Amino acid sequence: AAGVIQSPRHLIKEKRETATLKCYPIPRHDTVYWYQQGPGQDPQFLISFYEKMQSDKGSIPDRFSAQQFSDYHSELNMSSLELGDSALYFCASSLTGGQGSPLHFGNGTRLTVT
Amino acid sequence: QKEVEQDPGPLSVPEGAIVSLNCTYSNSAFQYFMWYRQYSRKGPELLMYTYSSGNKEDGRFTAQVDKSSKYISLFIRDSQPSDSATYLCAMSGGGSNYKLTFGKGTLLTVNP
Repeated sequence: AAGVIQSPRHLIKEKRETATLKCYPIPRHDTVYWYQQGPGQDPQFLISFYEKMQSDKGSIPDRFSAQQFSDYHSELNMSSLELGDSALYFCASSLTGGQGSPLHFGNGTRLTVT
Repeated sequence: QKEVEQDPGPLSVPEGAIVSLNCTYSNSAFQYFMWYRQYSRKGPELLMYTYSSGNKEDGRFTAQVDKSSKYISLFIRDSQPSDSATYLCAMSGGGSNYKLTFGKGTLLTVNP
């Protein structure tokens, strides 16, 4: 079965640079979520989109922005990168509606800021 | 206090043992409860998904939810070395709020 696809798998950037992470949800899933997971930490919710509109916002820095496109893929844009932004960034997707829907995660993008 | 508390372990058991993993939570709005397994450098993989209180069994895995006590459990029977991973509990509220709040994860090692 198709899963959530994230690209790139690894990304190395320098401080103050920008980065763009991409997420392709499971086909027919209408909601995407972005999470950040630091070393030894649980995933922290950043932002979510339902039908191309922002649906919820968590602890996402103002330096970060995201959007969901007409084909439902999503991009997380990160500017003025800081050393503390080094983490695993996961995208998840779900088919939202009714009695809830479990989130399915991609394998993440490992961002290293030097 | 975090909304979801989970003992990070590590937990080490012999092959074939029954493993019990637990989480407590404080937000009474949570209605959907999940367990994810995460291998190193991989994304969380959905293991179990339950709605409200009760038990759910899937193969060697059993999930229990006790909303009155705000306590959820995952039991793994006949544990295998391939079960060695970090197990994350996660939960979300009802309505349109499906974002997950995770526990810290428990690192499990099953020794052959």
